Amino acid sequence: AAGVIQSPRHLIKEKRETATLKCYPIPRHDTVYWYQQGPGQDPQFLISFYEKMQSDKGSIPDRFSAQQFSDYHSELNMSSLELGDSALYFCASSLGAGAGANVLTFGAGSRLTVL
Amino acid sequence: AQSVTQLDSHVSVSEGTPVLLRCNYSSSYSPSLFWYVQHPNKGLQLLLKYTSAATLVKGINGFEAEFKKSETSFHLTKPSAHMSDAAEYFCVVNPAGDAGNMLTFGGGTRLMVKP
Repeated sequence: AAGVIQSPRHLIKEKRETATLKCYPIPRHDTVYWYQQGPGQDPQFLISFYEKMQSDKGSIPDRFSAQQFSDYHSELNMSSLELGDSALYFCASSLGAGAGANVLTFGAGSRLTVL
Repeated sequence: AQSVTQLDSHVSVSEGTPVLLRCNYSSSYSPSLFWYVQHPNKGLQLLLKYTSAATLVKGINGFEAEFKKSETSFHLTKPSAHMSDAAEYFCVVNPAGDAGNMLTFGGGTRLMVKP
């Protein structure tokens, strides 16, 4: 069965550079979520989109932005990268949003290293 | 507000012995509860979920969890550990109501399985 696809799997950047992570949800899923997991930390919710509109916002820095496109894939853009942005970034998708949504399915994550 | 507390950051068992990973939650609503597993350098995989149906939930790979409202607990168990069970386990709460799917993760429990 198709899963959530994230790219790239690994990315190395230097401070103050920009990075873009991509997420392709499970076919027919209309909601995507971004989570950030720092070293030794539990995943923290960043932002989510339902039907191409932002639905919820968590602890996403102002330097980060995201959007969901017409084909439901999503991109997380990170600018002015800092060392503390080094983390594993998970994308998840679901069918629907809110309490009635199906369970989230997570991708394998994109590991960003900022040097 | 909701929170999740995993009572043990590390659990070590011998192969073939029972596994118990403890989780307590607090939530203003009747929550949905999940256990996810994360193997090294892998994504988050759903083990099982509780959504106000049966209080004893059976998941994949022989894991099960029991929702006890009076104790606000959702402990994960497995009768006999296997070497492949060694991983990080996250207890996760999703509040009911129109709160979106901003999952709250527990701090994680690293399960080690000794031969």
